[in-house]
Amino acid sequence: EAGVTQSPTHLIKTRGQQATLRCSPISGHTSVYWYQQALGLGLQFLLWYDEGEERNRGNFPPRFSGRQFPNYSSELNVNALELEDSALYLCASSLLGVTGELFFGEGSRLTVL
Amino acid sequence: RKEVEQDPGPFNVPEGATVAFNCTYSNSASQSFFWYRQDCRKEPKLLMSVYSSGNEDGRFTAQLNRASQYISLLIRDSKLSDSATYLCVVSGGTSYGKLTFGQGTILTVHP
Repeated sequence: EAGVTQSPTHLIKTRGQQATLRCSPISGHTSVYWYQQALGLGLQFLLWYDEGEERNRGNFPPRFSGRQFPNYSSELNVNALELEDSALYLCASSLLGVTGELFFGEGSRLTVL
Repeated sequence: RKEVEQDPGPFNVPEGATVAFNCTYSNSASQSFFWYRQDCRKEPKLLMSVYSSGNEDGRFTAQLNRASQYISLLIRDSKLSDSATYLCVVSGGTSYGKLTFGQGTILTVHP
């Protein structure tokens, strides 16, 4: 069974540009979570989607947004990129929400120059 | 105050040693607790859930003290392969659906 897949693996952008990251959850999982892991920092919660709806978001500015598609895949968009947005963006999916195990993808590393 | 606090370490221990990690959380309404493991340049993976009664999985023992808002992880007979970052994770409470990760404790087991 395929795990959580993320694309692209690496992405290089310049300040002010937009970045789009994609995530496919494990088959059958309806919840998708996005986390940011900046160098030296822990995982910071960004967004939670379930059944196509945004259920919760972390303390990030509105230029971080996303959506979940009918097939439960998800997209994270970061507008007006800033240098401090450089980080590893991890997507995770789960079957039972936060009471169950989160399965993470390998992440998309975004570098903003 | 951080929602989940861990001693970042690093902990450097010899093979066979017993090592304990601690974690405190600030939200008393938190409902679910986990330890995740993250190898270098890899994604986090669930190590074990933490239950109020305490639970054990082989060489790993996790405990929860709700009154003190404290979680612990004990690793016995450390192996080289235990070298990783251990993440304390808390969910529930006032912000439903959000798993809050601690910054992680780095463990290095040496021969």
